[in-house]
Amino acid sequence: IQMTQSPSSVSASVGDRVTITCRASLGIGSWLAWYQQKPGKAPKVLIYGASNLQSGVPLRFSGSGSGTDFTLTISSLQPEDSATYFCQQASSFPYTFGQGTKVEIK
Amino acid sequence: QITLKESGPTLVKPTQTLTLTCNFSGFSLNTSGVGVGWIRQPPGKAPEWLALLYWDDDERQSPSLRSRLTITKDTSKNQVVLTMTNMDPVDTATYYCVRNRLQVADAFDFWGQGTMVTVSS
Repeated sequence: IQMTQSPSSVSASVGDRVTITCRASLGIGSWLAWYQQKPGKAPKVLIYGASNLQSGVPLRFSGSGSGTDFTLTISSLQPEDSATYFCQQASSFPYTFGQGTKVEIK
Repeated sequence: QITLKESGPTLVKPTQTLTLTCNFSGFSLNTSGVGVGWIRQPPGKAPEWLALLYWDDDERQSPSLRSRLTITKDTSKNQVVLTMTNMDPVDTATYYCVRNRLQVADAFDFWGQGTMVTVSS
C-alpha cells in the first residue's frame, strides 16, 4: 500500500493552523499512525488509529479520516513543532510510511 | 520505563552480513499484543519497515528483503536480533529497534535511539 503525503513542506507562523494530508493507495480503515521526527532523533508517535492521541502528546495535535484519506492538524503551531511528520499504515504488511512533510516556522 | 537499544557494527563491507541486536526493558515480549521489530531510515528519506516478531511467535518480514532477513528473539534476555545478508551500499541507513502494540492500533509506540550503519568497502 502506497502512502502519499502533501504538502512535502510547509512554512507557517507561530499560532497558525497547519494541516497535513495522507492518502493511501488502498482503503486501510483507521489503521493509520502519525509520527513526528526532529533532526537526529527517532520518530515519535503522535496519533494512532487515525484519531487517537498518544499519551503525553499536546492537545493541539489531532488526526482524522478513514479509508484512504487522512489528516493531521496542528491547531496552533508552536516553535517546538518544527519537525518532519510521517504517516504510516498498519492495515496490511508490509507496513509503509509516507514520504514526509517538513514543517518550518516562519 | 520502557527502553530499546540497538547495538552492532557501524561499518560493514559489501556482501558481508549485518547482525544487529536490540536489548529492551520495561515490557515483556510474552505480553499479548506486543511485537518488537526493526525499521530503517536512509539519510534524508522516509522510514522503511523491515521485520516484526510478535508475542505469539508470529513473524512478519518485508517481502522485498525476505530472502536476506532473519529475525529471532530471546525472551528470557529481552533481546531481538536482526540478521541481514549480502549487504550493499544502498542498505546504508539508521536502523531502529521498535515496539509495536495491537493496543495502539499496531503503531510503533517506542523506538530505540537508532544505530547508523554504513556499507562501504
